[in-house]
Amino acid sequence: DQQVKQNSPSLSVQEGRISILNCDYTNSMFDYFLWYKKYPAEGPTFLISISSIKDKNEDGRFTVFLNKSAKHLSLHIVPSQPGDSAVYFCAASGYGGSQGNLIFGKGTKLSVKP
Amino acid sequence: DTAVSQTPKYLVTQMGNDKSIKCEQNLGHDTMYWYKQDSKKFLKIMFSYNNKELIINETVPNRFSPKSPDKAHLNLHINSLELGDSAVYFCASSQIPTGVGNTIYFGEGSWLTVV
Repeated sequence: DQQVKQNSPSLSVQEGRISILNCDYTNSMFDYFLWYKKYPAEGPTFLISISSIKDKNEDGRFTVFLNKSAKHLSLHIVPSQPGDSAVYFCAASGYGGSQGNLIFGKGTKLSVKP
Repeated sequence: DTAVSQTPKYLVTQMGNDKSIKCEQNLGHDTMYWYKQDSKKFLKIMFSYNNKELIINETVPNRFSPKSPDKAHLNLHINSLELGDSAVYFCASSQIPTGVGNTIYFGEGSWLTVV
């Protein structure tokens, strides 16, 4: 029973274009959402986060949008660069699950082609 | 100056053996975690310690025993290893244990293969 879902296992984008990675969640108690980026043979690296009181957070080329009514968040990368090629994990945290427990999606592998 | 470091990075061992994975963080965080990424690529929490006290213990066989000698260290000991224990184990830490602002920082992972 996945509480955080990333339905696209992979995404391929041309360099310079926008990458949009999507994430859905089922638990309305989640109040904090994060995106992590993972390169092969490395640990996940924190990218950007958003709390449930906001609907948008921007950091350079990365923007996360949160639609609480739809229980949906997305990560936009503009412009995409080849170095962005990695697996992106969506994660959620809050009081719905165990305290401190980050619930992860299965990840979306992004390939940015030169 | 690695923030969360874990050793060993790769470990191949036989069924039935006992092994440990060590983890240290130099971020001054109060909370540390062990996560497991299985063959289906799911990242799931196993344990969480806050100020050396266990606060999360998900459904994990009692062959897995975490030990936190101090706030900066959380080691994972596994007894009687089984084939199904093969996975990548990530140590992690955060300043606070829950909710808004709970950004977790991960180590590079320990690839465990049980043969």
